[in-house]
Amino acid sequence: EPEVTQTPSHQVTQMGQEVILRCVPISNHLYFYWYRQILGQKVEFLVSFYNNEISEKSEIFDDQFSVERPDGSNFTLKIRSTKLEDSAMYFCASSNRGTGGQPQHFGDGTRLSIL
Amino acid sequence: AQKITQTQPGMFVQEKEAVTLDCTYDTSDPSYGLFWYKQPSSGEMIFLIYQGSYDQQNATEGRYSLNFQKARKSANLVISASQLGDSAMYFCAMREAGGYFGNEKLTFGTGTRLTIIP
Repeated sequence: EPEVTQTPSHQVTQMGQEVILRCVPISNHLYFYWYRQILGQKVEFLVSFYNNEISEKSEIFDDQFSVERPDGSNFTLKIRSTKLEDSAMYFCASSNRGTGGQPQHFGDGTRLSIL
Repeated sequence: AQKITQTQPGMFVQEKEAVTLDCTYDTSDPSYGLFWYKQPSSGEMIFLIYQGSYDQQNATEGRYSLNFQKARKSANLVISASQLGDSAMYFCAMREAGGYFGNEKLTFGTGTRLTIIP
């Protein structure tokens, strides 16, 4: 069964450094999402992306964050200048329709640790 | 008000027993969907079951069923004949109809940690 793949599985970065988290969504999916989960907390929406543009973003997704679909397969989340509070698990998700019962399929996540 | 409320932070259940995980939601949108995801200790998010607001029947997927009570705004997950492998965090999530077609974010509850006792 096709799946969403995320790399790396764990990223350790110094505070203030830029980090890029990578995702390969399921190939026929058109809608892409990033979520994050701070340790022990609930999953929070960051941003959704469709037709090569952001369709919605949360308050968390400030100017330090950006997303890109540089080619037909990859979907990236960039954090420009990381802060300690950016430490979390970051999940990429995709779906092939935006409505109805189509579930969002999640990757296994990237655990980001900011030192 | 919280959009998704899961009131059981943790549950312990004997193997082979049925278990119900509670979820209540709050929305004024007539079109919405409710999802349950399982998160094992390894961290990945696994889709379990979906219920749409207009669905007439409760959703079922193998050992998982959803007890959907629209008037009470509850969407409880029922796992029949629990197994040791069911031990995990379980999240209820809601999709509300977006401002335009597509791209509806999920709003998650705080989760319930289920532990199955042999």
